[in-house]
Amino acid sequence: AQSVTQLGSHVSVSEGALVLLRCNYSSSVPPYLFWYVQYPNQGLQLLLKYTSAATLVKGINGFEAEFKKSETSFHLTKPSAHMSDAAEYFCAVSDRAGNTDKLIFGTGTRLQVFP
Amino acid sequence: KAGVTQTPRYLIKTRGQQVTLSCSPISGHRSVSWYQQTPGQGLQFLFEYFSETQRNKGNFPGRFSGRQFSNSRSEMNVSTLELGDSALYLCASSLAAGAGGEQFFGPGTRLTVL
Repeated sequence: AQSVTQLGSHVSVSEGALVLLRCNYSSSVPPYLFWYVQYPNQGLQLLLKYTSAATLVKGINGFEAEFKKSETSFHLTKPSAHMSDAAEYFCAVSDRAGNTDKLIFGTGTRLQVFP
Repeated sequence: KAGVTQTPRYLIKTRGQQVTLSCSPISGHRSVSWYQQTPGQGLQFLFEYFSETQRNKGNFPGRFSGRQFSNSRSEMNVSTLELGDSALYLCASSLAAGAGGEQFFGPGTRLTVL
């Protein structure tokens, strides 16, 4: 079965600094991978998704992620953090093994951005 | 286009009661999925409905049930509430069935069980 591990439950960066949120996956079949963001008291919003096309995926709000099969990773990056990026970020993999076909989420990484 | 709406936004119940949560998907979306979000367990898949049929189910007890109507609106019911059922319940809609496409999430219903 598929699984997702997000390294670091909290990440703090200064405004303007590089944002790097780590995600490793385990999958027995080619995965679909997603990054979602959750702002306080809101639902989740899709940042980007990988569906076996280009390995470098560009998303909204300046975020991008690179699929690395050899490292089973799908880390999220943004060159320059903004105060408005402070939120919780979730990596997810679609579990299509055995036709269960559901999203498996990581435990989340809370991003803090300091001025 | 209106987003996914969930009602009510907040709910307080006592142990043993039952509760019904409602989700209205984006117009034209036929798939509705439900998730439970807690600090301890994170986001966990409850079930997915597509065209009024339950298509997938997560590892939750039978106290958790749902249904979908012909207009794609969905309800989730939890019977005999337990303290551990306190959580944010999120609903997500998508055009197609399954987890491969983009799911659009509602703001959630925060359930507190006393």
